[in-house]
Amino acid sequence: DIQLTQSPSSLSASVGDRVTITCRASQSISNFLNWYQHKPGKAPKLLIYAASSLQSGVPSRFSGSGSGTDFTLTISSLQPEDFATYYCQQNFRTPPTFGQGTKLEIK
Amino acid sequence: EVQLLESGGGLVQPGGSLRLSCAASGLTFSTSAMNWVRQAPGKGLEWVSFISGSGDYTFYADSVSGRFTISRDNSKNTLFLQMNSLRAEDTGVYYCAKDQRDIYCDSTHCSKAYTFDIWGQGTMVTVSS
Repeated sequence: DIQLTQSPSSLSASVGDRVTITCRASQSISNFLNWYQHKPGKAPKLLIYAASSLQSGVPSRFSGSGSGTDFTLTISSLQPEDFATYYCQQNFRTPPTFGQGTKLEIK
Repeated sequence: EVQLLESGGGLVQPGGSLRLSCAASGLTFSTSAMNWVRQAPGKGLEWVSFISGSGDYTFYADSVSGRFTISRDNSKNTLFLQMNSLRAEDTGVYYCAKDQRDIYCDSTHCSKAYTFDIWGQGTMVTVSS
């Protein structure tokens, strides 16, 4: 199975900060990489698909980049509603796998 | 508005069975590939199973293959997960998730999106004696 490693595992930041989360794949996955936001007790939400495409309805402060094995999710200016856990996920090969998650907390 | 609503979770003993349901609304269910994804307590997300819109194609994680069966009733817009021989490590919240597109097959291979664009709120399964 393809392993995804996210860094950092947790992050403290303030409203208005620019934040970057990275995801590294154990082998090349081209651009077959998605990003999700998950809040406790809520349904996970698709933010970015195909590494850099913004899902409909997602604010433009979210962006994704990368290809091959290294990917990033960037939030340009943190808003209060952005504090959550973020997961990357590869859809290059079955089984689809997720990173371990990055918990974004308020500083 | 597209909505997915899971039900059927609960407490079951090791070795027992449980059937989860996911009722869909606001979408053309019969052309929507669907998945089950779970989250163990304090852990990350784990994909469990996929089914194509027609129900002709199914795929499973190794950890549940042979014990879980995914199915669907397109006349009732409902997805199912039959879980047998349950283990403690199956404990967690189970989410149904719509795939971005249905499976596409040509003469040599099938392509699945595995991009989960709509999720339900989840149903809790606890396997314990």
